[in-house]
Amino acid sequence: KAGVTQTPRYLIKTRGQQVTLSCSPISGHRSVSWYQQTPGQGLQFLFEYFSETQRNKGNFPGRFSGRQFSNSRSEMNVSTLELGDSALYLCASSSGTSGEGETQYFGPGTRLLVL
Amino acid sequence: QKEVEQDPGPLSVPEGAIVSLNCTYSNSAFQYFMWYRQYSRKGPELLMYTYSSGNKEDGRFTAQVDKSSKYISLFIRDSQPSDSATYLCAMSVSTGRRALTFGSGTRLQVQP
Repeated sequence: KAGVTQTPRYLIKTRGQQVTLSCSPISGHRSVSWYQQTPGQGLQFLFEYFSETQRNKGNFPGRFSGRQFSNSRSEMNVSTLELGDSALYLCASSSGTSGEGETQYFGPGTRLLVL
Repeated sequence: QKEVEQDPGPLSVPEGAIVSLNCTYSNSAFQYFMWYRQYSRKGPELLMYTYSSGNKEDGRFTAQVDKSSKYISLFIRDSQPSDSATYLCAMSVSTGRRALTFGSGTRLQVQP
């Protein structure tokens, strides 16, 4: 089974621009979560989508948004980029159903640098 | 104060040593406890998860949870150079083990 894929892997933007990152979950997985990883704050949960609906949301400003398509692929968008948005953005997929068997599988991440 | 505290290390040990990695947490609503391993330039991969106090063993790895003390540990026996990575504890209040709250990660280096 192919793993979680994220595109692009690297991105350089300037302050004020917006960016869209893409995530393709493992086949059959319906839940996609997004995390931000920085040296200072570590890994922080952004939001989770399940069946095209946002199911959970972390404590991030409204500049961070996401969506999920009918094929479970997900995109996250950051508008009006700030220097502090420079980070590794990780996507994780899971079956989306509660229970013992659920595990989140992470992609390799998209490294965003804001200049 | 962060909800989950983890010693960032780095931790350097000789091959074959027993490694102890620890996290403390303040949110008593956390129900699920996980340990992830992250190699450089890779996404985290799940090592172990547990939802009850006590020990859970998987090969060379043992996860320990003490809910009364809000303390979790990961023990690695017979450590190998391939264990060199950053280890992240993670916790969740949801039954689906999603919306994870991570510790800051401990960087481990196992010297051959």
